Amino acid sequence: DGGITQSPKYLFRKEGQNVTLSCEQNLNHDAMYWYRQDPGQGLRLIYYSQIVNDFQKGDIAEGYSVSREKKESFPLTVTSAQKNPTAFYLCASRAGLAGSYNEQFFGPGTRLTVL
Amino acid sequence: AQSVTQLGSHVSVSEGALVLLRCNYSSSVPPYLFWYVQYPNQGLQLLLKYTSAATLVKGINGFEAEFKKSETSFHLTKPSAHMSDAAEYFCAVTRTGTASKLTFGTGTRLQVTL
Repeated sequence: DGGITQSPKYLFRKEGQNVTLSCEQNLNHDAMYWYRQDPGQGLRLIYYSQIVNDFQKGDIAEGYSVSREKKESFPLTVTSAQKNPTAFYLCASRAGLAGSYNEQFFGPGTRLTVL
Repeated sequence: AQSVTQLGSHVSVSEGALVLLRCNYSSSVPPYLFWYVQYPNQGLQLLLKYTSAATLVKGINGFEAEFKKSETSFHLTKPSAHMSDAAEYFCAVTRTGTASKLTFGTGTRLQVTL
C-alpha cells in the first residue's frame, strides 16, 4: 500500500533534549511538508522541500531543522531552541510540479510531549 | 496573501440533519481550495478540492462544496449527517508562488447527536 508513515506515534522528551521525528513516503512524491498542529490554531507550516537536497523554511521554522537526503524521507528535528515543542506534528507529501493543484497527502502524525 | 476563515469552531447537528460548514477565502488570484477531515489523533484526509473545473464539487462520504466567487465562499455541505461524520474539518487554500503551499483555516469540530 502506498502512503506516508510517521514514527513514533507518541514521543516524550525531557526539556533541553533534541528529538527527531521520522517521515517516510512511498508515493514517489517530489514535495514534502512538515506542519505543527495546536488546538484551535489549525496547521502551521514548519519546513517544506520540493526536491532532494533542497528545503525551505515555512512560517514557524525557528527551533526546528530538517534534511532531505532521499526522495522518500524528510525527518524533522525539534531542537532545544524550540520554546514550546509540545504539539501534534504532521508530515505531508504532494505529487506534481510546484504551482499545481494536486492535493497534499498526510501521514498519521506524531504527538510530541515535553516533560 | 491568501487566507481562509472558518466560521464556527464547533458545530452540532442531529443525525439525519443537514451539515453546513462555512469557509470564506481571501485570494488575489483564482484559488485552489480544499476541504480535509481529521478524526481524533489521526492525519488529514482529503474530502474534495476545487480546481476551477466546476463550481459544484462532489467529494467522498456524501460531502459536496460550492465555489461562489461573488461571495468568496467554499462552504461544505452534506444532506444528512451520520454519527461517523463527527470529526474536525479544515478548509485550505493554495498560496501563490512556488511549492503549492497551503494556508489552513482554524478548523470546525462537527458533533453529531442522536
